[in-house]
Parts: sequence; C-alpha cells; structure tokens
Amino acid sequence: EDKVVQSPLSLVVHEGDTVTLNCSYEVTNFRSLLWYKQEKKAPTFLFMLTSSGIEKKSGRLSSILDKKELFSILNITATQTGDSAVYLCAVRLDFGGSQGNLIFGKGTKLSVKP
Amino acid sequence: DADVTQTPRNRITKTGKRIMLECSQTKGHDRMYWYRQDPGLGLRLIYYSFDVKDINKGEISDGYSVSRQAQAKFSLSLESAIPNQTALYFCATSDGGQGVGQPQHFGDGTRLSIL
Repeated sequence: EDKVVQSPLSLVVHEGDTVTLNCSYEVTNFRSLLWYKQEKKAPTFLFMLTSSGIEKKSGRLSSILDKKELFSILNITATQTGDSAVYLCAVRLDFGGSQGNLIFGKGTKLSVKP
Repeated sequence: DADVTQTPRNRITKTGKRIMLECSQTKGHDRMYWYRQDPGLGLRLIYYSFDVKDINKGEISDGYSVSRQAQAKFSLSLESAIPNQTALYFCATSDGGQGVGQPQHFGDGTRLSIL
C-alpha cells in the first residue's frame, strides 16, 4: 500500500529557531514529492522535488529529496509566527490510471511562539 | 477573484439529505479533484477527473458521486448524507501534460457538518 509518513506530527518552537520537518514515503511508482503549507484555508504550494540532492529554496524555506532513502526534509530557518501552519507532504504517483494523483501525509502542525 | 472557487463555504445539514458541493476554476486546468480532510487523517482523494469525459474513483469514493459539467466545473454530491461524512472538503485543479507534472492548486474548502 502506498503511504507517506510525516514526523513529527506537531512541533512548538520559539521565534528565531530553525526547524526540520520530515517526510518519508513508500510508493510503487514515484514521480515527484510536493510540500504544501496549510494555514486556515487552502493548502498552498511550496516546493516540488523530483531529483535527489538538489535543494529547492525560497526565502527562509528549503527542501531536499533523497530518492535512495525515500525521504524529504523541509527546513525553516529563523522561524516567525507567520510560519505557524500545518505543513503537508505529498507524493505524486506515476502509473496507469492514477498517474498524477497525490498521496498525502497527515501533516506536521508547527506552532511558532513569540 | 480566487482561481478555484468552492461553494458553499459552510453547510450544516441533517442525516439523509442530498447535498451538492460545487467547484469552479478559472485556471484553465484540465484536471480536477475532490478531497476530504479529517483531523489526524490528512487529505484523502474522493474522485478525480482528467477531462470532461474521464472520471475516476479515488481512495474513498463510497457514498459520493461527482459530475464534471464542463472543463471549469466539478461538483461533488452526497446522495444521502451521514454523520461520518462531516469533514472539510477541498477541490483542487492541476494542469496535465507530460514530464513531472504540475502542482495541484486548492480551493478554500467547504466545511460540511451532518447532524
């Protein structure tokens, strides 16, 4: 069964801290891995990763994929209260009629205290 | 205006009622999806459609049906709602095409409560 596992499920830090969120996966046919940020409404897209070892970066957020060990990490440096959200990891499948579908992890709830 | 619009935003109804959730998009994407989100369970795929004539069941389609009225419109129906269908429902769209694909873009969700 295809699955995506995120850890930790929740995390509380103080402003200025650096955090690392983890995502491991077991899927039959991997195409890409995506990270989303969900505040109170719609998940918003952060990164899509397809190749091992190539870091994607956007401001204080960065992410990298390891296709050999089947995991990805999302790093947030110098956290701010506005980073408080649920971070979702999803793997895109690449086979048959499910091509392009996403399998989501349960998310990591990040709380950043002032 | 939002690219992916869901209506209604909130709905409270009773067991046994028929409910329709609507989704429309202005992104011109050919693919559309319906998910539900429950606390502690993440997002789970209900139905997906790669174009107007192509509709497929997702992980948890029992108790649901969909209609793709046009490229821009995808509705989700609960024929006879039951309390365990209480959840936050999201519509999403993506562009098709080859290669590694494009990310899905989500609407703001419909919070559905069934009493």
